Amino acid sequence: EVQLVESGGGLVQPGRSLRLACTGSGFTFGDYAMTWVRQAPGKGLEWVGFIRSKGSGGTTEYAASVKGRFIISRDDSKSIAYLQMNSLQIDDTAIYYCTRDDILRWFGESTDAFVFWGQGTMVTVSS
Amino acid sequence: EIVLTQSPGTLSLSPGERATLSCRASQSVASTYLAWYQQKPGQAPRLLIYGASNRATGIPDRFSGGGSGTDFTLTIARLEPEDFAVYYCQHYARSSYTFGQGTKLEIK
Repeated sequence: EVQLVESGGGLVQPGRSLRLACTGSGFTFGDYAMTWVRQAPGKGLEWVGFIRSKGSGGTTEYAASVKGRFIISRDDSKSIAYLQMNSLQIDDTAIYYCTRDDILRWFGESTDAFVFWGQGTMVTVSS
Repeated sequence: EIVLTQSPGTLSLSPGERATLSCRASQSVASTYLAWYQQKPGQAPRLLIYGASNRATGIPDRFSGGGSGTDFTLTIARLEPEDFAVYYCQHYARSSYTFGQGTKLEIK
């Protein structure tokens, strides 16, 4: 059974840093890109960024709102993806979800989609 | 940057009725990369539809997706009590993802 478990959330002051972890199980972690999505209280979903599998270069992409402040990394030996959040701002307050990037195929076409999600971890940025 | 606009913001219907949710893109997008998610309070989102019209594993056939270009729809044929939730469309392009702002489907 595929499972994703986020950890590391909590209360942090503006300007400080926090690192979240997403631990995967039930699948070969290194074969998949991993994505972070966040949701501010009472708001919609916002894509944060993703890290490709090592086989696809292990490179990262970020939303404009976090680029230069957040860093996604991975340790495939531990089946963990990290989200290092620096220079945190009040509006970074959100539930942070990790998801596995699945490639879904049908009739000769394919796409990326998020089939499996963690339960989320809450990050509160406040003084 | 592609913007996805969902309408209506809130849809009030009764069980058994048909629901039609709209997702409009700010420019023409490939339907291959258009997905729909359902989110219930306190839960992570769940993938419903991918490639604009393909149901994800385990999704009942009362859910269907369609559309192309800039206009996409999610239709729920006959609402069940468990269908009342928030629905998001999502698009992937140029190494980034975009979500719509969501449509809340509430019981009338």
